[in-house]
Amino acid sequence: EVQLVQSGAEVKKPGTTVKISCTVFGYTFTDSDMYWVQQAPGKGLEWMGLVDPEDGETIYAEKFQGRVTITADTSTDTAYMELSSLRADDTAVYYCATFGFDYWGQGTLVTVSS
Amino acid sequence: DVVVTQSPLSLSVTLGQPASISCRSSQSLVHSDGNTYLNWFQQRPGQSPRRLFYQVSNRDSGVPDRFSGSGSGADFTLKISRVESEDVGVYYCMQGSYWPPAFGQGTKVEIK
Repeated sequence: EVQLVQSGAEVKKPGTTVKISCTVFGYTFTDSDMYWVQQAPGKGLEWMGLVDPEDGETIYAEKFQGRVTITADTSTDTAYMELSSLRADDTAVYYCATFGFDYWGQGTLVTVSS
Repeated sequence: DVVVTQSPLSLSVTLGQPASISCRSSQSLVHSDGNTYLNWFQQRPGQSPRRLFYQVSNRDSGVPDRFSGSGSGADFTLKISRVESEDVGVYYCMQGSYWPPAFGQGTKVEIK
């Protein structure tokens, strides 16, 4: 059974950095790109970027370019999404998803507050 | 970038009645490989999104057959033939034919 298990909720101060993990089970990690999606409170879904775990190649959405770093560690079957220079409007649930968005993690709430 | 627009943004439906959600893109979603990469997702309250359909009309495993996806080019529709209480949530379309992938704004379905 494919499972994506994300790290727990975070509370961060403005200007700092958050790093969220997504560990996969039930399939070969390098078989599929890993996507990251942001969902602000009460809002819709926004694609942030992706990583190809096989070679580490990344593509980022223009909105997050320069602040987001997505990586993949094949030794632990874990993808990471790091978002820097946090501000209040980064408060959101962040999801990882794979196999063409067929499988999703449970989401990680990041709260940015002073 | 391709813009994806859903309508309506909110839908109140009587149990057992049909519902229909429209998704329109700013350009045709037919990819150069001939496929149309238009997905539909359901997000129940407090849950992660769940994919219902890929490539317009291919139903994902476990999706009830009262759901159907249709359309072509730049005009797509998700239909629920008889709404049940478990269908409450927000429905999103998403285009994957062009970079970057883009979601529609979402359509909230509630029971009247």
